[in-house]
Amino acid sequence: GQQLNQSPQSMFIQEGEDVSMNCTSSSIFNTWLWYKQDPGEGPVLLIALYKAGELTSNGRLTAQFGITRKDSFLNISASIPSDVGIYFCAGLNYGGSQGNLIFGKGTKLSVKP
Amino acid sequence: DTGVSQDPRHKITKRGQNVTFRCDPISEHNRLYWYRQTLGQGPEFLTYFQNEAQLEKSRLLSDRFSAERPKGSFSTLEIQRTEQGDSAMYLCASSDSLATDEQFFGPGTRLTVL
Repeated sequence: GQQLNQSPQSMFIQEGEDVSMNCTSSSIFNTWLWYKQDPGEGPVLLIALYKAGELTSNGRLTAQFGITRKDSFLNISASIPSDVGIYFCAGLNYGGSQGNLIFGKGTKLSVKP
Repeated sequence: DTGVSQDPRHKITKRGQNVTFRCDPISEHNRLYWYRQTLGQGPEFLTYFQNEAQLEKSRLLSDRFSAERPKGSFSTLEIQRTEQGDSAMYLCASSDSLATDEQFFGPGTRLTVL
């Protein structure tokens, strides 16, 4: 089945740093979504990408839909403490299913001790 | 608050018991999805509805699981004869007909089977 590989699995940030994470797949996706999840809560949609090569921003967040349609990345600029959480990428392939979002295992952002 | 709501937020049950969860989607969203999430993993798709029609089921949805959306509004997910392996967060999401790819999630129901 389709799988998404997210990297890094975890990272530590210091306030003010820029953060990058990415997601790759062996399959093509029509849509890429990025979510953030806090402990005990549901994922919150951050950015949706629909076209290969598309670059979209949401405040300090920027995400890109890879031109091969098999990858996406998310950047967070000037991180702040509330950025801590787990970030998930998710892809949708119309050929396989119209409802089935495939999620990565997440990138956990923590504050440097 | 007009987001997706789920009830209960937490459920502890003994193995073999039946449990039912409820999801209220964002008003006027015609698509409703159920996912399951275990610790350290991303959500995994279970099933989805367009209005009252259940259009897709994952193979994760064993015959002990049943989902309904009788009037095309709220949905229920029932698990019969719960097993310890059913312990997980059950997430509901909804989307509208104009942006079906953008799924908005509720807070989830955390199920613990003892």
